[in-house]
Amino acid sequence: DGGITQSPKYLFRKEGQNVTLSCEQNLNHDAMYWYRQDPGQGLRLIYYSQIVNDFQKGDIAEGYSVSREKKESFPLTVTSAQKNPTAFYLCASTVSGVGAEAFFGQGTRLTVV
Amino acid sequence: EDKVVQSPLSLVVHEGDTVTLNCSYEVTNFRSLLWYKQEKKAPTFLFMLTSSGIEKKSGRLSSILDKKELFSILNITATQTGDSAIYLCAVDNYGQNFVFGPGTRLSVLP
Repeated sequence: DGGITQSPKYLFRKEGQNVTLSCEQNLNHDAMYWYRQDPGQGLRLIYYSQIVNDFQKGDIAEGYSVSREKKESFPLTVTSAQKNPTAFYLCASTVSGVGAEAFFGQGTRLTVV
Repeated sequence: EDKVVQSPLSLVVHEGDTVTLNCSYEVTNFRSLLWYKQEKKAPTFLFMLTSSGIEKKSGRLSSILDKKELFSILNITATQTGDSAIYLCAVDNYGQNFVFGPGTRLSVLP
């Protein structure tokens, strides 16, 4: 079955730690996105990538980093510089250039302890 | 700055009621407007609208776009408790990214 897989579903991070959230898709999509969702708010864009080895900052990129070494994979690292990382993180992908809906993973809930 | 606004932010109705959710937008390059339903985790796709005045329907849900006035509505008739969710509106600004609104939290009481 084609889809997007995020892991882990739940993640606990200690203050000062870096953690990496995984996002893998087998839909052959070119474009991939990371969003953050806080309670009562919509989705805010962290980073996006339209093609392998290229990515762009979104609206709230500070304290986060990404890589896009393979088409299928777009991991997100939440660094210690992110002051308030507790949130729900969603990864999405879509076909580039044709105007199509985004498909979402099931999300990772990150909590700082 | 591209912006999507949704109203109301929260809505409580009883089963059988009809609801209308609103989405307005300001983007520099508009390609399409999308509606998603988010129950627990992953938003699921409902509709994509690209042309004004053409209603899209799926069961009890329907949506329409007005590109002149820059808004869309999502209607749900004969609501059921299973319709309880956050409804997200997003605009595709020509492939750079999707700009999401804050969502409308709909609660349908039995």
